[in-house]
Amino acid sequence: NAGVTQTPKFRILKIGQSMTLQCTQDMNHNYMYWYRQDPGMGLKLIYYSVGAGITDKGEVPNGYNVSRSTTEDFPLRLELAAPSQTSVYFCASSPGGGKNIQYFGAGTRLSVL
Amino acid sequence: GENVEQHPSTLSVQEGDSAVIKCTYSDSASNYFPWYKQELGKRPQLIIDIRSNVGEKKDQRIAVTLNKTAKHFSLHITETQPEDSAVYFCAASEGAGSYQLTFGKGTKLSVIP
Repeated sequence: NAGVTQTPKFRILKIGQSMTLQCTQDMNHNYMYWYRQDPGMGLKLIYYSVGAGITDKGEVPNGYNVSRSTTEDFPLRLELAAPSQTSVYFCASSPGGGKNIQYFGAGTRLSVL
Repeated sequence: GENVEQHPSTLSVQEGDSAVIKCTYSDSASNYFPWYKQELGKRPQLIIDIRSNVGEKKDQRIAVTLNKTAKHFSLHITETQPEDSAVYFCAASEGAGSYQLTFGKGTKLSVIP
């Protein structure tokens, strides 16, 4: 099993550009999450999903959008990139059913210049 | 929502000594408390977790203790080794039965050979 796979690993955007961060998991997990990690600030939840077709906002959703059309995929969309969105983005999944453990992808390092 | 405070932010120990990292949480309904280790440039990985019906859990050189009354939990690493050097994050579930986690800001542990 590959686990949680994120692409791309690195990306540089210009202010105002858009992009989609891809996340896919092959563990048939119901729950998926997007976090951003800024230096010294831990992990902050952007959006999460409890299953295909169901998404909800986390602590810092402004400037982002998500969709969950399949169990496997949970892409994160940045519409108008801003320097404040420079960060490392992690996707994670958990099985649910009483099992809370979250498994993380390798991350996407994004710079907005 | 849940609020998690983590201390200290940095910790240096001599190889072979013990290290203790402490976290407090605000929501008395939280019932799941994982600890993640993140090596430089890598993804967070679960090292140990504890549920609210247990006071202590051990796994070889690491242990976690939970005090529900005081709403704090701690990570204990004994006989530290250089490979224990990393950033450690505590987290707490967003209330009982929630699959969302709120993370602390992290502790950078350095083990000096």
